[in-house]
Amino acid sequence: DVKVTQSSRYLVKRTGEKVFLECVQDMDHENMFWYRQDPGLGLRLIYFSYDVKMKEKGDIPEGYSVSREKKERFSLILESASTNQTSMYLCASRGRVGANVLTFGAGSRLTVL
Amino acid sequence: KQEVTQIPAALSVPEGENLVLNCSFTDSAIYNLQWFRQDPGKGLTSLLLIQSSQREQTSGRLNASLDKSSGRSTLYIAASQPGDSATYLCAVRRLGGNTGKLIFGQGTTLQVKP
Repeated sequence: DVKVTQSSRYLVKRTGEKVFLECVQDMDHENMFWYRQDPGLGLRLIYFSYDVKMKEKGDIPEGYSVSREKKERFSLILESASTNQTSMYLCASRGRVGANVLTFGAGSRLTVL
Repeated sequence: KQEVTQIPAALSVPEGENLVLNCSFTDSAIYNLQWFRQDPGKGLTSLLLIQSSQREQTSGRLNASLDKSSGRSTLYIAASQPGDSATYLCAVRRLGGNTGKLIFGQGTTLQVKP
């Protein structure tokens, strides 16, 4: 069964800390995405990557950066965590050809105190 | 700018009912539309994907239709069960570009009562 794995289900961090959220997919997908989901705001795209070392800003990139050094891994980095980054973070991947189904990980619930 | 709307925001039905969830979008230039299910505190699970050239897709008790000209999609759930209780989201993929970003609706939270 194909999988997108997010390394941490729950994290609690302090304001100003650097936070790494890791996502790994085993489907050899070219495209990977990071979303955040907040009540009343729905899912919003932070960053996406369409190939190794390639990245593009989504709708809300401020305060975040990403890294894609290997095809299977896409990392989201909060350089200096703030309380307004408390959220559910969802990673997803999709192949460039075929059914183009977007497959999500289980999510990472981040709380910044 | 593409906007996706799902109405109603919440729905409660007795077990066994057939029901329809609605999704509307403002720009008909889409590549495909995908329906997802999300259980509380979990990630999204893909249910059905309809390509822009298709009219409907079926999987078990689920049937999704697409009418691009009117900017609408519906998800039909037959003989609903308590296990169907979840939030259902639709998302449209825009045409063009290498990645095709998805635009999500806010979701419809469904409760099926035993």
